[in-house]
Amino acid sequence: DTGVSQDPRHKITKRGQNVTFRCDPISEHNRLYWYRQTLGQGPEFLTYFQNEAQLEKSRLLSDRFSAERPKGSFSTLEIQRTEQGDSAMYLCASSWTLTRDTQETQYFGPGTRLLVL
Amino acid sequence: SQELEQSPQSLIVQEGKNLTINCTSSKTLYGLYWYKQKYGEGLIFLMMLQKGGEEKSHEKITAKLDEKKQQSSLHITASQPSHAGIYLCGAAINNAGNMLTFGGGTRLMVKP
Repeated sequence: DTGVSQDPRHKITKRGQNVTFRCDPISEHNRLYWYRQTLGQGPEFLTYFQNEAQLEKSRLLSDRFSAERPKGSFSTLEIQRTEQGDSAMYLCASSWTLTRDTQETQYFGPGTRLLVL
Repeated sequence: SQELEQSPQSLIVQEGKNLTINCTSSKTLYGLYWYKQKYGEGLIFLMMLQKGGEEKSHEKITAKLDEKKQQSSLHITASQPSHAGIYLCGAAINNAGNMLTFGGGTRLMVKP
């Protein structure tokens, strides 16, 4: 078990450019989550997948954001036409959840720190 | 929406001292998670509490969830420099446990 991994760890981009982040969950975890964390704040939920299905999206996830988990394993988060307000740490987490009503621990990756100039 | 308030926001203690961090919810908690974060890194899972009155310990860290399930505390005994970091409480916003809302964090510094 190598834990949740994220790539890249750091990204600097110019306003208006598109960026894509990748998350590899813990092997066999069926749920994958994306959060965003700005400096000095706790993480904020963005979206989550159960296998390949995207089941919830936060209002924080504007039309410029899209996430996929095509084969139910790794996931990508793309931000189009980046804005300075998108600068944040993007965190991915995964969990194994047997049934809908169970509470299962989410294990977080190291995050991708995005800076939009 | 559910809100979590952590106190204190920051804490500086002398090595060897005990300390307590509190997390208060505006609504009943379905599950309460404690994580630790080093600056610029991901979250490390510490403990999860579900039942009112539940208490869990790991090494020198103890977490409790009150009977009404609206407040949790994290207690560190005989603090060490390795305990320094940001402590975050996270709560499941519904029984499905699929989305967590987090408090603003408590920044702990331990002076040797």
